[in-house]
Amino acid sequence: GQQLNQSPQSMFIQEGEDVSMNCTSSSIFNTWLWYKQDPGEGPVLLIALYKAGELTSNGRLTAQFGITRKDSFLNISASIPSDVGIYFCAGQADYKLSFGAGTTVTVRA
Amino acid sequence: DGGITQSPKYLFRKEGQNVTLSCEQNLNHDAMYWYRQDPGQGLRLIYYSQIVNDFQKGDIAEGYSVSREKKESFPLTVTSAQKNPTAFYLCASSSATGGETQYFGPGTRLLVL
Repeated sequence: GQQLNQSPQSMFIQEGEDVSMNCTSSSIFNTWLWYKQDPGEGPVLLIALYKAGELTSNGRLTAQFGITRKDSFLNISASIPSDVGIYFCAGQADYKLSFGAGTTVTVRA
Repeated sequence: DGGITQSPKYLFRKEGQNVTLSCEQNLNHDAMYWYRQDPGQGLRLIYYSQIVNDFQKGDIAEGYSVSREKKESFPLTVTSAQKNPTAFYLCASSSATGGETQYFGPGTRLLVL
């Protein structure tokens, strides 16, 4: 599978700020997924998107499945210290996932 | 409670040695996957299995082998042919009824002595 283009690579944010990250691909996907990974742990699923144009929220998280099926973004509103971690996007076609390289989020208290 | 377990958490391999990483799930998922994660990179697919007694190579299968004798279990063997085995290994599973969304285990870190 291909590696997706995820940006930014890292970000420092102030507690309370809204942040945004995105993922693009040259291929079409049927599903877009966003995971968060803490150091030394497995990725935890945050949001799954199954339809082009879909906008889905999970608490302070909002993600959208791009209309072209080649991109997705994730927004985090009102950042808190526990938002620290690495966020990965993944595009799914058939049974296989292709991953972005991750966005490392560090929150300044 | 349901989930995916991986053991051990840390594993040390000597040169020329084969080691086996365990992955078990009690989610009744049909499909299981093995990924390798290196620092600063996304996950790369090693092997996957959609049903018992069947599995397919992923993008980086060389130096690895798997078996799928039971629905709940998908062990990964890192053979001596894998020249750069130091990495974080993640197992995942999915089901057709769940939209094939993959859920991950806690991972095993493999280090070479």
